[in-house]
Amino acid sequence: EDKVVQSPLSLVVHEGDTVTLNCSYEVTNFRSLLWYKQEKKAPTFLFMLTSSGIEKKSGRLSSILDKKELFSILNITATQTGDSAVYLCAVEHLDDYKLSFGAGTTVTVRA
Amino acid sequence: GAGVSQSPSNKVTEKGKDVELRCDPISGHTALYWYRQSLGQGLEFLIYFQGNSAPDKSGLPSDRFSAERTGGSVSTLTIQRTQQEDSAVYLCASRRPGQGARGELFFGEGSRLTVL
Repeated sequence: EDKVVQSPLSLVVHEGDTVTLNCSYEVTNFRSLLWYKQEKKAPTFLFMLTSSGIEKKSGRLSSILDKKELFSILNITATQTGDSAVYLCAVEHLDDYKLSFGAGTTVTVRA
Repeated sequence: GAGVSQSPSNKVTEKGKDVELRCDPISGHTALYWYRQSLGQGLEFLIYFQGNSAPDKSGLPSDRFSAERTGGSVSTLTIQRTQQEDSAVYLCASRRPGQGARGELFFGEGSRLTVL
């Protein structure tokens, strides 16, 4: 059975801190790994990673994938209160279209 | 529409009643997904529709759950004889056609179902 495990489950930081979120996976026929941000209800897409070792970056957020060790990290630098959310990791398979999601990491940024 | 629209946003029902949840995907999106998110849990896949192909129902937890997609657009998720363990947020997502769009799903705000 496919597994997507995120850690930590939750963390609290202060504005300006840097956070690192982890996602490890065990899936057959891996195609891509995706990160989503869920602030209230609707998850919104952040990154899709397909190649190992290539960093994706968007502003203060960045992510990298290690296909050999089967994990990804999501970094948020200079955190702001607006970064408070649940961050979801998902893995997509080559031969189908379902995304398997992890349980998420809840990030709380205090002013 | 501009985004994926779901209704109702909140539904409270009594155990044993049937409920219908509606999803209106982004215009032109051929793929439509239903996921369920229980408190503190990740998203659990329920069902997938792609164009005119037979839907993938492999994630439906029991035969009380069913879904339809009419005319390749609006979808309805029906839960019959609801149980308390059905309480969750039901999220709908759609995706653009084409292999290049694989992975990126556009989610609705969800329907929060509470079964008393």
